[in-house]
Amino acid sequence: GQQLNQSPQSMFIQEGEDVSMNCTSSSIFNTWLWYKQEPGEGPVLLIALYKAGELTSNGRLTAQFGITRKDSFLNISASIPSDVGIYFCAGPRRNNAGNMLTFGGGTRLMVKP
Amino acid sequence: DTGVSQDPRHKITKRGQNVTFRCDPISEHNRLYWYRQTLGQGPEFLTYFQNEAQLEKSRLLSDRFSAERPKGSFSTLEIQRTEQGDSAMYLCASSFRTSGGGTYNEQFFGPGTRLTVL
Repeated sequence: GQQLNQSPQSMFIQEGEDVSMNCTSSSIFNTWLWYKQEPGEGPVLLIALYKAGELTSNGRLTAQFGITRKDSFLNISASIPSDVGIYFCAGPRRNNAGNMLTFGGGTRLMVKP
Repeated sequence: DTGVSQDPRHKITKRGQNVTFRCDPISEHNRLYWYRQTLGQGPEFLTYFQNEAQLEKSRLLSDRFSAERPKGSFSTLEIQRTEQGDSAMYLCASSFRTSGGGTYNEQFFGPGTRLTVL
């Protein structure tokens, strides 16, 4: 089962609204990654975070690495219809020499034009 | 396009048949990962290679599954005697060690192969 908990599970918002989602774990992560997946496609890497407290932006997307190393947040500003998709947080757990990623269950975002 | 490619994109097979999927990673990436994703879930790790060496396998990888990366470039994933529970999206990802002592954490995924077992 998933060891990263994402919330909310789904969101249905109006175009132009800002979006916030988060990801929590009971384990410490050295890196947090945020991916977006569209139907029938593989996940696309959006943002990578490497340090506790780090805040990183990619266009309208901003993500933060929680200071406890057990959570991360993703914000999307001024949403547009092409933001529709499933957003996954992921990361390798500490002491994971192979860097295998653990994924959350995803947040499904739907945007109404 | 220099991203990760996977072939086929879709495969429908009957229970009990063998299937093989191929993954071509980004050319300078020496690590290659296989993940499986079922409907409504995030991807789950199956196995990974560093160059041609298979370094770890998940307990999800039963003995009906085998993966190879013979020349350290493309990889194949074979499922023998398929079962309906094998129906899923099979994703391949590749990564490289970033400069300055970085890690392989940033993994780039292919489009996946969707397997349906009837």
